Amino acid sequence: DIVMTQSPDSLAVSLGERATINCKSSQSVLSSSNNKNYLSWYQQKPGQPPKLLIYWASTRESGVPDRFSGSGSGTDFTLTISSLQAEDVAVYYCHQYHSSPLTFGGGTKVEIK
Amino acid sequence: EVQLVESGGGLVQPGGSLRLSCATSGFTFSSYWMNWVRQAPGKGLEWVANIKQDGSDQNYVDSVKGRFTISRDNAKNSLSLQMNSLRAEDTALYYCGGGVGWIITDWGQGTLVTVSS
Repeated sequence: DIVMTQSPDSLAVSLGERATINCKSSQSVLSSSNNKNYLSWYQQKPGQPPKLLIYWASTRESGVPDRFSGSGSGTDFTLTISSLQAEDVAVYYCHQYHSSPLTFGGGTKVEIK
Repeated sequence: EVQLVESGGGLVQPGGSLRLSCATSGFTFSSYWMNWVRQAPGKGLEWVANIKQDGSDQNYVDSVKGRFTISRDNAKNSLSLQMNSLRAEDTALYYCGGGVGWIITDWGQGTLVTVSS
């Protein structure tokens, strides 16, 4: 199974500042057949289901603000919120869909400092 | 508008069974891989199972293999999860979700399963 490890577990960032979340997979999620990273990022607010933000490691889902960006390849990935807004307070999860069983990171809680 | 509505959750004793359903609308159900993902109270997300568009392929997390069965009815745009031999550790909010390929783009609001005596 591919283990997804996120860091930090939580972070507090001032409004308008940058937030960076890291995700490391125990095996590469890069496919040699199509050169795509099978890695997505979700945002989950209290009492709500997860919301897809990023897929293929760096493709922003339709309607997601451009302050959210994803980067990385192979086993190391990053979700960046360039200018934190109050509505971005949530838990963020990375997720690999390269191989079964699909697995999620443990989550990173983002709060306002 | 894409809608996924789970039902069937509730309180069940250890060793018991429950069948979850997910009614969908607003998208071409037969084009989606469909999944069940669960979240224990106060915990993170755990993928449980998925099923291919035509139902010909299913995958499960090891902890539910042999106990849970995922199925779908494309004529009724619905997804199901039959859960047998339930354990306390199966207590969670169960989400159905789907997308093209294994990317889960759309999610329901979840149905709560509590396994307790």
